[in-house]
Amino acid sequence: QKEVEQNSGPLSVPEGAIASLNCTYSDRGSQSFFWYRQYSGKSPELIMFIYSNGDKEDGRFTAQLNKASQYVSLLIRDSQPSDSATYLCAVPRGSGNTGKLIFGQGTTLQVKP
Amino acid sequence: DTGVSQNPRHKITKRGQNVTFRCDPISEHNRLYWYRQTLGQGPEFLTYFQNEAQLEKSRLLSDRFSAERPKGSFSTLEIQRTEQGDSAMYLCASSFRRGREETQYFGPGTRLLVL
Repeated sequence: QKEVEQNSGPLSVPEGAIASLNCTYSDRGSQSFFWYRQYSGKSPELIMFIYSNGDKEDGRFTAQLNKASQYVSLLIRDSQPSDSATYLCAVPRGSGNTGKLIFGQGTTLQVKP
Repeated sequence: DTGVSQNPRHKITKRGQNVTFRCDPISEHNRLYWYRQTLGQGPEFLTYFQNEAQLEKSRLLSDRFSAERPKGSFSTLEIQRTEQGDSAMYLCASSFRRGREETQYFGPGTRLLVL
């Protein structure tokens, strides 16, 4: 079992819809979670991080964390074609839940006009 | 630009040659990470520094790879006797750890192609 798992997709949604991206992790001790967006040929760009159970909202993005079920999700409301990218879930694996990030393989999102 | 910078952005080399990449972190960041990413995969951890000390090195990193961060500022990653399997995007990230909080910011990456 991989430490961090994501469905590689592609996930295709129409413009204006809600895109839901999911990530599961294996270490129950994990406490912080990061979502990065990566456009083709570019480097990862931080979108959000979440530490606590529940929801965290930032503009059109909402991160949801459920530690009991060991999954974290990213919702993108009012999806735009410019949101088309690969979304990477990452979990720190160092002491105190900092340090090196373990990434999932990423989910490719396609937003169709 | 106050973000993480990496040079060169692209490197094409022949198998067996040595290559060196440079990363300049965000100035106040005390931690610097190197990752490698191949097509269709997420970034894979290679090594990291806190100030000038190299604190961890991936078991996957062969002895052909070496990294330094003299004076705790910029870092270099050298690959000796390159192999075609070394072809990848090499990413640098920097962060400032404050207690239990740490957020890594990535540079633009160096894309390596070994012929």
